[in-house]
Amino acid sequence: GDSVTQMEGPVTLSEEAFLTINCTYTATGYPSLFWYVQYPGEGLQLLLKATKADDKGSNKGFEATYRKETTSFHLEKGSVQVSDSAVYFCALRVSGGSNYKLTFGKGTLLTVNP
Amino acid sequence: EAGVAQSPRYKIIEKRQSVAFWCNPISGHATLYWYQQILGQGPKLLIQFQNNGVVDDSQLPKDRFSAERLKGVDSTLKIQPAKLEDSAVYLCANLQGWGGYTFGSGTRLTVV
Repeated sequence: GDSVTQMEGPVTLSEEAFLTINCTYTATGYPSLFWYVQYPGEGLQLLLKATKADDKGSNKGFEATYRKETTSFHLEKGSVQVSDSAVYFCALRVSGGSNYKLTFGKGTLLTVNP
Repeated sequence: EAGVAQSPRYKIIEKRQSVAFWCNPISGHATLYWYQQILGQGPKLLIQFQNNGVVDDSQLPKDRFSAERLKGVDSTLKIQPAKLEDSAVYLCANLQGWGGYTFGSGTRLTVV
């Protein structure tokens, strides 16, 4: 079945450090890939997405490139801020029929210290 | 457009009691999902509705969980009787036109 594997957390960085959160996937068919973010006390919000191979999703300084050859969608940011502290979830959705089910990874907690 | 509204935000119950959660989705959005998010894990799909009909409930523990969506709008998720392992955040979501979801803030359930 479809699955998503994220790097284990927690991740603790200093402000302005470079961030990478690894994500790899297994899917039948051709998935769309997503990163969701969950700030403390809030619901899940879409951070960025990519719908086909070699697409790059970007938002708020975060980027991720859909790599079909390595089945990966790693999240990166060049300079993190304290306000980026949150839990980040990688997710995939395989198109087909009416079942647009999102499959999530376990999440990675990021803490950014000033 | 307004977001997905959920209530209550928090609920504490004793095991073997029953509990219900409510979701008011974005107006006009036909597809609604309930997810369970256990602490330290990613959300897991419980049930998907398309208008009033169930599309996927394969991971819903039907001996204790039930859900309905009346008139293709609001939805309720019920647990009866609750177990300790049901402690989690229950998330409601709508499918958006671009293929992603909009989530509500969730209901945090603690079973003691």
